[in-house]
Amino acid sequence: DAKTTQPNSMESNEEEPVHLPCNHSTISGTDYIHWYRQLPSQGPEYVIHGLTSNVNNRMASLAIAEDRKSSTLILHRATLRDAAVYYCILRDVAGGGNKLTFGTGTQLKVEL
Amino acid sequence: EAQVTQNPRYLITVTGKKLTVTCSQNMNHEYMSWYRQDPGLGLRQIYYSMNVEVTDKGDVPEGYKVSRKEKRNFPLILESPSPNQTSLYFCASSLVRSYEQYFGPGTRLTVT
Repeated sequence: DAKTTQPNSMESNEEEPVHLPCNHSTISGTDYIHWYRQLPSQGPEYVIHGLTSNVNNRMASLAIAEDRKSSTLILHRATLRDAAVYYCILRDVAGGGNKLTFGTGTQLKVEL
Repeated sequence: EAQVTQNPRYLITVTGKKLTVTCSQNMNHEYMSWYRQDPGLGLRQIYYSMNVEVTDKGDVPEGYKVSRKEKRNFPLILESPSPNQTSLYFCASSLVRSYEQYFGPGTRLTVT
């Protein structure tokens, strides 16, 4: 699996937007970009995924650079419940592998 | 409610005493997997299963065994636990080639 690079930590204020960056300069054409998050004392949970186009769902938005070498997870209005470690993961779904290769992620702190 | 359950959630044991951590999912998923999470190392895959009676090694399989006799269950077996297997363990499941994996709540294992 291709490698991703994320900042170790970020801080935000509640009800403000948060932009979590991820660099993946060695991404291949068949790699999907996935984001998971891990709340304290819980297992990881799926947030969003995309291939080339920007994506929106009820949890977040994913903005993908035109060259696909970077992406940004956008939380539109951070809440205290969004404090978690966010993982950016590349996965070649078509290759048949279901394995998720987790890095160390970005610890998001949300303050009042 | 769709979920992945693990038991026990916490376990303290001694070196060499065989133990089993159970994992069960109610979503009829073909794919199931075990990860361990250690500080600074992220989540690493131990074993995975693409379907009943089909299992394969992940990145760190040494000292572990698994079985997949039923679709819903995927137990993790430590025949002779050692202190370096002290870790937080997560079970995950998904449809094959699905974009979203579901994780259990975790089992914190301490081997003394």
